[in-house]
Amino acid sequence: GQQVMQIPQYQHVQEGEDFTTYCNSSTTLSNIQWYKQRPGGHPVFLIQLVKSGEVKKQKRLTFQFGEAKKNSSLHITATQTTDVGTYFCAGQVDSNYQLIWGAGTKLIIKP
Amino acid sequence: DAGVTQSPTHLIKTRGQQVTLRCSPKSGHDTVSWYQQALGQGPQFIFQYYEEEERQRGNFPDRFSGHQFPNYSSELNVNALLLGDSALYLCASSFSSSVLGYTGELFFGEGSRLTVL
Repeated sequence: GQQVMQIPQYQHVQEGEDFTTYCNSSTTLSNIQWYKQRPGGHPVFLIQLVKSGEVKKQKRLTFQFGEAKKNSSLHITATQTTDVGTYFCAGQVDSNYQLIWGAGTKLIIKP
Repeated sequence: DAGVTQSPTHLIKTRGQQVTLRCSPKSGHDTVSWYQQALGQGPQFIFQYYEEEERQRGNFPDRFSGHQFPNYSSELNVNALLLGDSALYLCASSFSSSVLGYTGELFFGEGSRLTVL
């Protein structure tokens, strides 16, 4: 079936270091969304990418959608404690209403 | 403006029992999707309701059923509970645009944590 692989599963960083998570789909996506889930919380929408090669920035967060619309990445510059949580990508295939979710990357700030 | 509300927040059931979870979507939203999230995993799509009908269904058995009411609120029913049904059940609301097949931003509730003993 259709899958979205997300790596790494965990990333431990020192505060101030950068963080990146990658998603790769087995099929071409019509669009991809990114969500953040804080510990004990629910997913919160960050952004949606629709166009091939699209790059969007939100302050320290940079989102990219690959040219083939099969992969995407989220990069956080100079992480802060408020960035802690699990970041999920969720892709839509064709006109299929369901989103296919990656397993998430957990951002952990080293003490 | 209330966001997505779900009830109950926590519940404990035993194997074989039935459970009903409820969701009220964000004001202005007409579409409700249900997800199951096991610990440490991403959400898994159960089904989506629009115009009081199940519009799309994920890979879940018939023990999982739902309903959407005229006021857009929704219920998720799970029959014959199994230990493996223990999870966080998330309701997400959205607005269905005129673009066929388009899924926009989802707004999630806090979830209902189900424990099956």
